[in-house]
Formats: sequence, C-alpha cells, structure tokens
Amino acid sequence: QKEVEQNSGPLSVPEGAIASLNCTYSDRGSQSFFWYRQYSGKSPELIMFIYSNGDKEDGRFTAQLNKASQYVSLLIRDSQPSDSATYLCAVMEYGNKLVFGAGTILRVKS
Amino acid sequence: EAGVAQSPRYKIIEKRQSVAFWCNPISGHATLYWYQQILGQGPKLLIQFQNNGVVDDSQLPKDRFSAERLKGVDSTLKIQPAKLEDSAVYLCASSQAAAVGYTFGSGTRLTVV
Repeated sequence: QKEVEQNSGPLSVPEGAIASLNCTYSDRGSQSFFWYRQYSGKSPELIMFIYSNGDKEDGRFTAQLNKASQYVSLLIRDSQPSDSATYLCAVMEYGNKLVFGAGTILRVKS
Repeated sequence: EAGVAQSPRYKIIEKRQSVAFWCNPISGHATLYWYQQILGQGPKLLIQFQNNGVVDDSQLPKDRFSAERLKGVDSTLKIQPAKLEDSAVYLCASSQAAAVGYTFGSGTRLTVV
C-alpha cells in the first residue's frame, strides 16, 4: 500500500496566526489529494481536495500541491481555537480508495 | 441530505466474542467503505463495495472479519472472534463520486477487554 506521511505534532500556533500542515506521499502517480479535519471523538470531515499543482483557496483554507516534490500542504489563515483538531491528509489510490496519513494535531492557543 | 448512519455508537465485548456493526450510506451513493481507525493512527481501509459487490478486501483479516452489503444499500461488518487488538473506531463512508471525497458516518467505538 502506498504511504502518506505527516508530522504527528502537536503543532501549536497562537490565535490569529497561520497554521501550516504538511504531507508527503510515496506514489508518484497519485492524482488527487484530500484534507480531512477530525475533532476528538468525532469522525473525519472533508475540508477540501486538490488535483492540480499550485494553490487552491477556500475561505481561510489554502491547499498547496507540488507533484514533482510529492508534497501537499494545508494553510489555515487567522487560526481560531475552534480549528484545534487532528488534520488528516489522504491520497486517492487507483480504484478510488483513500489512503490516509496518521494526522497532525493542531492546537490553536487563545 | 441525510448523512451516513452507523450503529451502535459504542460497544464493549470480551475477547473471543463476536460483534456486528451496521451502516446505512447516503441515499444514492453506490460506493461504501469500511475503515478501521486505531487510536493515534489514520483510518485504514478494510473493505470497499461498489453497489453490492466487493471491489477491494485485500486488507480485511478474513479469518475473523466479514462484511456484506445486501441489495447494494445497507452494510454489516462482523468480527468473530474478537481480539484485543481489534479495539478501534470502525468508520463507514460512502461516496457518489470518489473524486470529490467520501462522507464518513459517526463511527462505532469498539473496546475489546
């Protein structure tokens, strides 16, 4: 199975700062990438997905993809305490199966 | 749109007992997935259904785990007999178009003692 690597954290940022979450993947042929947010004791919820190299913005969230470096990132601008959660990076494998990383714990301090 | 329904929310069993989990996907979603999430890890795919057929069960421990999706709608995941290492959250997800990601249910937290 292909691998998806994330720093487990925790990543601590002050309220209002930019949080930067990173992910690398092993399968050079991967084409689509997803970020899920998971609050403690809850199920993952989709934040956004990206297919093309470059940036994709959605509100305070920006996903960045660099296929040459096999690197995906998620930027959260104006971080809020409510953003404190585990962020899961996922890569779509052949056959429409998502492979998840272990997640990065984000803590936003007020 | 109603979400993915799962039951029960919690289950505590002794090792070597059996347990079953139920999932009802979002209406019209042809693809259904069961994932296992052990504490501190990301979700790991157990089995993928397309309508009522199995697409991928390569990571399902078939000596103890089984799953079915009758009539291409509801699905049941069973563990028999359970081991301590099966303690995890079992997540069901469904998708209409995988290209835009899945929707997860609330999960079933299993504790094997």
